[in-house]
Amino acid sequence: DVKVTQSSRYLVKRTGEKVFLECVQDMDHENMFWYRQDPGLGLRLIYFSYDVKMKEKGDIPEGYSVSREKKERFSLILESASTNQTSMYLCASSLGGAAPNQPQHFGDGTRLSIL
Amino acid sequence: GDSVTQMEGPVTLSEEAFLTINCTYTATGYPSLFWYVQYPGEGLQLLLKATKADDKGSNKGFEATYRKETTSFHLEKGSVQVSDSAVYFCALSPFSGNTGKLIFGQGTTLQVKP
Repeated sequence: DVKVTQSSRYLVKRTGEKVFLECVQDMDHENMFWYRQDPGLGLRLIYFSYDVKMKEKGDIPEGYSVSREKKERFSLILESASTNQTSMYLCASSLGGAAPNQPQHFGDGTRLSIL
Repeated sequence: GDSVTQMEGPVTLSEEAFLTINCTYTATGYPSLFWYVQYPGEGLQLLLKATKADDKGSNKGFEATYRKETTSFHLEKGSVQVSDSAVYFCALSPFSGNTGKLIFGQGTTLQVKP
């Protein structure tokens, strides 16, 4: 089974801090994704990556950046955390490449609170 | 653009009741369709999928049929259990320009009471 591991289940940070959320997958997947999930808004895509050092903006990239230096790891960075970034963050991966219509596999999420 | 619409929740049922969660989509071509489930405090898990018209996906007693003519992918289960209480997401993978991205519905919360 695919395993997507997010480094923290719960995280509390202060306004203005630089915050790193880490995600690791163990199935050699090419695609990786970061979402945030808020009540009533469903899942919203922040950034995704289809290869090492490659990234593309999703629907709500403002205030976030990402890093993918190794294939298995995809980091989400909040450059200067603000209270409106309090949310559940979900990482996902999928096979990518020439394989069409592959499902995404999700981690358990990080519940981030910015005080 | 492509989109997914799910029935609003919460849906509240008694144990052993029949479940239907409606999902309709707008897309060009022939997208693949998925249902995901999210149990409290966890991430999303793939429940079932269908990749072409008239395909039926099934898993853990849940079923959904890809209906091209009605652009629907409704989730059904004949007899729900308390352990089925969760949030259910319908999603599609666009037919063209495959980037691996999925488009999700808003999610439907299911509460099953004993």
